[in-house]
Amino acid sequence: DGGITQSPKYLFRKEGQNVTLSCEQNLNHDAMYWYRQDPGQGLRLIYYSQIVNDFQKGDIAEGYSVSREKKESFPLTVTSAQKNPTAFYLCASSNFGTFGAFFGQGTRLTVV
Amino acid sequence: AQTVTQSQPEMSVQEAETVTLSCTYDTSESDYYLFWYKQPPSRQMILVIRQEAYKQQNATENRFSVNFQKAAKSFSLKISDSQLGDAAMYFCAHQNRDDKIIFGKGTRLHILP
Repeated sequence: DGGITQSPKYLFRKEGQNVTLSCEQNLNHDAMYWYRQDPGQGLRLIYYSQIVNDFQKGDIAEGYSVSREKKESFPLTVTSAQKNPTAFYLCASSNFGTFGAFFGQGTRLTVV
Repeated sequence: AQTVTQSQPEMSVQEAETVTLSCTYDTSESDYYLFWYKQPPSRQMILVIRQEAYKQQNATENRFSVNFQKAAKSFSLKISDSQLGDAAMYFCAHQNRDDKIIFGKGTRLHILP
């Protein structure tokens, strides 16, 4: 089955530690995205990538980093520089002109 | 700048009635797509309907339809014969040719039995 897999579903980390969220897709989409969702804020774009080895900052990229070494994979690292990392993170993929973005099930990150 | 605005944080509708959710957007592009997504309590994002900017005809999907006003940069969602399962957060989204997809802040829809 084609789709997007995010792992893990729940993640707990201590303050000051970097943490990497995984996102894999087998839809053969060129573009991939990371969004952060907080109550009342909707989905805010962190980073997106149109092709391998290239990515663009979104509206809230500070404190985050990404890589795109393979078409299928777009991991997100939440660094210790991110001041409020506790949130729900969504990964998506898309091709312009197709049926919009397909989403993973999300990762709930809690930093204590 | 690419922006999406949803001015209704919450709405309620009686079961079997019709409700319209509002969305406005801004872009300097002429070729783009617009979408409405539904997010139920499971938090899974579900595509409801999409509209291609170069098509004048409004998109419809069963009980869901849009009113696309390109000049006004307006893209509202109409849900007919509302059902209890329609209760969810609804997000409007815009995708430019550079693949960037921006979402609005969402509208929480309550269905009253």
